Amino acid sequence: AQKVTQAQTEISVVEKEDVTLDCVYETRDTTYYLFWYKQPPSGELVFLIRRNSFDEQNEISGRYSWNFQKSTSSFNFTITASQVVDSAVYFCALSEAESNYQLIWGAGTKLIIKP
Amino acid sequence: AAGVIQSPRHLIKEKRETATLKCYPIPRHDTVYWYQQGPGQDPQFLISFYEKMQSDKGSIPDRFSAQQFSDYHSELNMSSLELGDSALYFCASSLRDRVTEAFFGQGTRLTVV
Repeated sequence: AQKVTQAQTEISVVEKEDVTLDCVYETRDTTYYLFWYKQPPSGELVFLIRRNSFDEQNEISGRYSWNFQKSTSSFNFTITASQVVDSAVYFCALSEAESNYQLIWGAGTKLIIKP
Repeated sequence: AAGVIQSPRHLIKEKRETATLKCYPIPRHDTVYWYQQGPGQDPQFLISFYEKMQSDKGSIPDRFSAQQFSDYHSELNMSSLELGDSALYFCASSLRDRVTEAFFGQGTRLTVV
């Protein structure tokens, strides 16, 4: 079974629209970490956020916001007023004790922002 | 601030050749992790080293080997290269085997022809 599911393979929106990328995870651990990374066409992995399982506060960073809900095992990522430079593949990842804390990655969501 | 340095950034090799990828961690970081990301795939954990000892092992093929040196830099050696080895190879580093606090390098793009 997939431990990290990013059901949206590809999303395409027009610039300035808001867009939400979904991430659903599965773990039996009570202590775990969730991450979002951005991978632009140039290939590097850009760290966006890390959240531990005890901190369910939502976070906002500029146009980016994250909604962590343990009740639904989801850690969704919203980009407000999207821009062409947001075009990238976005990965959600889980780190849990059962997997020796190695990152377990989702399949990624390719986000295309059209001008 | 200094980041994780990987070299080379791009590498083209022929089948059955050998390749060596290098990773220079952030200063004072004692742990390195290697990942392989095939085209259109998510990164896959290969292997990690903490204080020059292997600390964890993922899906690293037997044709690959890695080590960490006394200055904490690491090298990933890949032999008998296959077309399927074409991928982005990322190195990450952290302090004290704390993978949740790891920083990624920019990756090495290996193309096997």
